[in-house]
Amino acid sequence: DTGVSQDPRHKITKRGQNVTFRCDPISEHNRLYWYRQTLGQGPEFLTYFQNEAQLEKSRLLSDRFSAERPKGSFSTLEIQRTEQGDSAMYLCASSVTGGMNTEAFFGQGTRLTVV
Amino acid sequence: GNSVTQMEGPVTLSEEAFLTINCTYTATGYPSLFWYVQYPGEGLQLLLKATKADDKGSNKGFEATYRKETTSFHLEKGSVQVSDSAVYFCALKEGGGADGLTFGKGTHLIIQP
Repeated sequence: DTGVSQDPRHKITKRGQNVTFRCDPISEHNRLYWYRQTLGQGPEFLTYFQNEAQLEKSRLLSDRFSAERPKGSFSTLEIQRTEQGDSAMYLCASSVTGGMNTEAFFGQGTRLTVV
Repeated sequence: GNSVTQMEGPVTLSEEAFLTINCTYTATGYPSLFWYVQYPGEGLQLLLKATKADDKGSNKGFEATYRKETTSFHLEKGSVQVSDSAVYFCALKEGGGADGLTFGKGTHLIIQP
């Protein structure tokens, strides 16, 4: 296993289109996180899963954003009706279930550009 | 809510110089604290962590001490190398609620030979 994998690495889309990103976590990790990072800022937490259960989604930026992890393995993040303000790097991370010092391993991200 | 403030960059140093990157935090409880590093073209990697007051995290010559009285977690290294050039993020994680990390804005470190 080579780590957290995200696909695609880059996505250019027209405003108003829907986009979907995929994340494959480290295989034995049951927690999976999504973050958004805009230019010059640190990553911003969006949502997370434990196995297939989405335990936190209040931080999703709007109802245009949704995430799934149907079988507790890979996850998808969908943005509907994209806007120029959605242009950012979308990061996925995974970890084992643990306490407050559990390390999260990050993927290289999907860079979204909305034109 | 929780927040992390770290010194703005870029920070430019000569090789073998002493490094300090300041980080302070605001949290309602007793968070764990982390430093992540992002090398050019790579994903975020955990550099070091500390889970309670007065703990010192260390890795690759970097150190940071969890100071509850000053709500700080400053990153230090005694002698930096060109290979340390990267973006450094301070972050916290607080239990009892959302499980995600709260990050600072990042500090771009440039080490010149």
